[in-house]
Amino acid sequence: AAGVIQSPRHLIKEKRETATLKCYPISRHDTVYWYQQGPGQDPQFLISFYEKMQSDKGSIPDRFSAQQFSDYHSELNMSSLELGDSALYFCASSLWESGERFFGPGTRLTVL
Amino acid sequence: SQQGEEDPQALSIQEGENATMNCSYKTSINNLQWYRQNSGRGLVHLILIRSNEREKHSGRLRVTLDTSKKSSSLLITASRAADTASYFCATDELNFNKFYFGSGTKLNVKP
Repeated sequence: AAGVIQSPRHLIKEKRETATLKCYPISRHDTVYWYQQGPGQDPQFLISFYEKMQSDKGSIPDRFSAQQFSDYHSELNMSSLELGDSALYFCASSLWESGERFFGPGTRLTVL
Repeated sequence: SQQGEEDPQALSIQEGENATMNCSYKTSINNLQWYRQNSGRGLVHLILIRSNEREKHSGRLRVTLDTSKKSSSLLITASRAADTASYFCATDELNFNKFYFGSGTKLNVKP
């Protein structure tokens, strides 16, 4: 079965630009989570959605926003990018009841 | 880290030896998962153990869970150079749908 798909896999942006990361969950999964992993850091939870509504919020900057669409895919929108936003961004999906999260391969964002 | 703490932070062993990594957490959990991450790459799900399970095996991996001590261990037997990676435990917090990663153990398996 196909796993979580993230696009793009790599993204290079300039400071103050915007970026949109996409996540396509495993089929029938209704919950999506976003994580940010800086160099040498453990993944930090950003935000999650269940049935298109925000279910939990972590350390997501105000410059970032996210949403989940009717087909359950999710997009993370990042504006006014800063050098410190350079990181691996992981998306995970699960069925709300099971809690068994499956992670995508990540999008590597580099801000120059 | 937000919840889990791995121990040791770094481990260097010879190929063929066993590697044991420990993880401690703070709250009650639904399940605990172990992930592997090669340098700068994505997370690879290794194994999930539920709160009512005490031990689980998958190939060369053995995971134990002690909910009374809020700790888990990951044992990799007969390690290979290809096992060199960072290993994270992640806990799924009971009732709050929160999922936390530990800070990871860097395993280096020398050929």
